Parts: sequence; structure tokens; C-alpha cells
Amino acid sequence: QKEVEQDPGPLSVPEGAIVSLNCTYSNSAFQYFMWYRQYSRKGPELLMYTYSSGNKEDGRFTAQVDKSSKYISLFIRDSQPSDSATYLCAMSVGDYKLSFGAGTTVTVRA
Amino acid sequence: GAGVSQSPSNKVTEKGKDVELRCDPISGHTALYWYRQSLGQGLEFLIYFQGNSAPDKSGLPSDRFSAERTGGSVSTLTIQRTQQEDSAVYLCASSLVGGEETQYFGPGTRLLVL
Repeated sequence: QKEVEQDPGPLSVPEGAIVSLNCTYSNSAFQYFMWYRQYSRKGPELLMYTYSSGNKEDGRFTAQVDKSSKYISLFIRDSQPSDSATYLCAMSVGDYKLSFGAGTTVTVRA
Repeated sequence: GAGVSQSPSNKVTEKGKDVELRCDPISGHTALYWYRQSLGQGLEFLIYFQGNSAPDKSGLPSDRFSAERTGGSVSTLTIQRTQQEDSAVYLCASSLVGGEETQYFGPGTRLLVL
């Protein structure tokens, strides 16, 4: 079993829809949770960063962490074609080593 | 530079040849990381540098893989006697000091071993 599980999709939604992405993990020592966005043929870029259970909002993006269920989510409201990318969850115990999910490929149709 | 740069962008090689991949981190970043991204897989940690030292090489998949960093800046990942299963995107990242702070990624080198 992988340490971090993420459904690779692909996920296709119409413009304006809510995109819901999630990851589960097995290591209860994970304390820091991140979402990266990766456009085609580019490196991942940090989108959201949280270190506690609960919700964190940043514009159209909401990151949710449930440590009791070992489950994290990313919601994208009012999705745009420019949101089409691969979204990777990542987590760490508090040091430099990040454990990544496989990534979910999202297409937002105009 | 403004961001992490990597070269070459793409590399096609024949099985058995050696390849060198280069990473130029963000100026002033002391920590540097190499990852491998295979199709349908998440990023796989390879090695971590703090300055010129590599305190964690635990992710290097075999002794055919090695990496060095000089002058606390540029790093080179070398793969000897390449195999087809080495085909992947090799990503480099850097961060300010090496902890839980943000890692900034380069665009990657796409390696294809024929």
C-alpha cells in the first residue's frame, strides 16, 4: 500500500463547476499538507499549504484536512479552463521529505 | 536566476549510455532536492543536499545513480549504464534552508532511454 493514495482521474468538468480532489494517507505522523499544481511540461508549483485539521481558503481554492480520517481535500470553486492541470497532494512529518500522491489530471471545459 | 532551471529539457539516449542532468537552484537556497516522476506515479524522492553535502541519499534507486553539488549551487544527477526503466521526468527543487518550508521546482528533464 502506498503511503499517499490519490485517484489519478482524469476528471473533466464544465467551466464554473466545483472541482473536488482528495487524498488519503496512512502515516499518522504527517503534520504538513500541501497541494501542488502542475501544468503540462512544467514543474509543480505550491498552491495551498496547511498544518492543522480544518479548512483553509485562498480565493477560489479551499483546502480541507481531516487528520482523524487521514483524508485531505482540495476544492476549486467557479473553475476556469486555466485551472486545467494535474493536482498533486503532498505531505510531510515536518522535515524536508515530501510524500506525494500520484496526481489527478483535471480538465475544465469551456 | 528567478527560478530553478534544469538542463537539458529533453534527453534521448540509448540503453547502456551514461547521462548527466543539471540543476541550477534559486540563488541563496541552501537546500536542493532531486525527484523522479514516472508516468502515473507521484514524485519519488531521490536525494537531498544541504550545501554541498547529501545527508539523505535514501531514494537513489541503485548504485547507477549518483549526484553531486558544487559551490553550494549547481547540482548534477548522473545515471550510469541507463536502462529503459530509467525513462521518467527528473525534477529538481530548492528551498531556503531545508525543512518544512516551500520547495520550488524546476521544469524537469524528460529522459527517454531507448
